[in-house]
Amino acid sequence: GESVGLHLPTLSVQEGDNSIINCAYSNSASDYFIWYKQESGKGPQFIIDIRSNMDKRQGQRVTVLLNKTVKHLSLQIAATQPGDSAVYFCAEHLGGYQKVTFGTGTKLQVIP
Amino acid sequence: GAVVSQHPSWVICKSGTSVKIECRSLDFQATTMFWYRQFPKQSLMLMATSNEGSKATYEQGVEKDKFLINHASLTLSTLTVTSAHPEDSSFYICSARPGATDSPLHFGNGTRLTVT
Repeated sequence: GESVGLHLPTLSVQEGDNSIINCAYSNSASDYFIWYKQESGKGPQFIIDIRSNMDKRQGQRVTVLLNKTVKHLSLQIAATQPGDSAVYFCAEHLGGYQKVTFGTGTKLQVIP
Repeated sequence: GAVVSQHPSWVICKSGTSVKIECRSLDFQATTMFWYRQFPKQSLMLMATSNEGSKATYEQGVEKDKFLINHASLTLSTLTVTSAHPEDSSFYICSARPGATDSPLHFGNGTRLTVT
């Protein structure tokens, strides 16, 4: 079923530090995972994705780690900047289906 | 590329009236679009999958007669909230993917619906 949070956990980090945002996904049959960033009043914006046959993928300042054994995803942001302040969602895609299910979300606050 | 446009960005309506929200894929064709709803400080909940030329597929608990979806062309899906009530006030977001099923969804900027 859908994973809907009743509140958003918040992560506060100092500007310049690295951020790690964690996510537990629900379905062991999910084969594709995406991290999205959502700024206030806007739609989610794609950050990075990873397929289930990988355990790590790097982008510009971001890295996604996948641990299928414990159904865990993490998003690492290097040298966090004020513009990174937003809510971050992991999303999972079940193989053979089109729809994408979102996780609870984490609010990232960057302290200047 | 891969822009999804949603209109209006916000709307206020009176209880009992209907509101139509449009979702367009601007530079790609989308046989499938997805409608999500998001309450404050919560995650996105999938409401329905909009299929071009056929009926939408609704998630469990979503009333199909209340949330009418029409996907009449490869670039346009509409969501109509019928007989809106204050509890329908929410942020409605549409999405589509220009690529294969294992590629990212692209989202519109959402529609803030307030029912008074």
